[in-house]
Amino acid sequence: QVQLRESGPGIVEPSETLSLTCFVYGDSITDYFWSWIRQAPGKGLEWLGYVFYDGSVNYNPSLKARAYMSVDIDKNEVSLRLRSVTAADTALYFCARGRRADISGPFENWGQGHPVVVSS
Amino acid sequence: SLVLTQPSSLSLAPGQTATISCGGDKIENAKVHWYQVKPGQAPVLVVYDDSARPSGSPPRFSGSHSGDTATLTIRRLEAVDEAAYYCQLWDSNTDRYAFGSGTQVTVL
Repeated sequence: QVQLRESGPGIVEPSETLSLTCFVYGDSITDYFWSWIRQAPGKGLEWLGYVFYDGSVNYNPSLKARAYMSVDIDKNEVSLRLRSVTAADTALYFCARGRRADISGPFENWGQGHPVVVSS
Repeated sequence: SLVLTQPSSLSLAPGQTATISCGGDKIENAKVHWYQVKPGQAPVLVVYDDSARPSGSPPRFSGSHSGDTATLTIRRLEAVDEAAYYCQLWDSNTDRYAFGSGTQVTVL
């Protein structure tokens, strides 16, 4: 059974870069789409983007080109970097795995979520 | 971008049936998935591909999709079902994922 665990700082200063890593245990990251999704306090779920295991990416335009996602196959990790953060980026951040080689499939597996607060 | 509209909230007594709609423009060919989200926890997939249930999802949960509206039905509501529910799909017109606005289900 695959397990995902997000890790990173809990507080990021405004205008700085948020960096999160999703560690994947129990399965290879090959053949899957890996998404980052967040939920701001009192708000709904927001898809931020995905990275495929081959490194191809697709970002939500709402992030205005601030996001960068990557994979490290050797380490079985997926990463998110979000630059120029503001208070609006305060949220619980999740990594999620889609269905194998099927972009239209559901997010079958999720990390437990990592809270990030943007504050000086 | 695609907007998926859900009722904001439902309040029902235990044993009743919750019906949650998810409407969007031109989604008739999309596969719709549903998640249960409790505060501070990771979302849990309860229905996928419009009407399939993953292992571990109780049979009380069912889904359907007709035209531009998908529906999640929760029968015989229990206190443990109190949560927010979100629909989600892959929008092939814009090449991005979309989540619904979310429905808070309260079990009285």
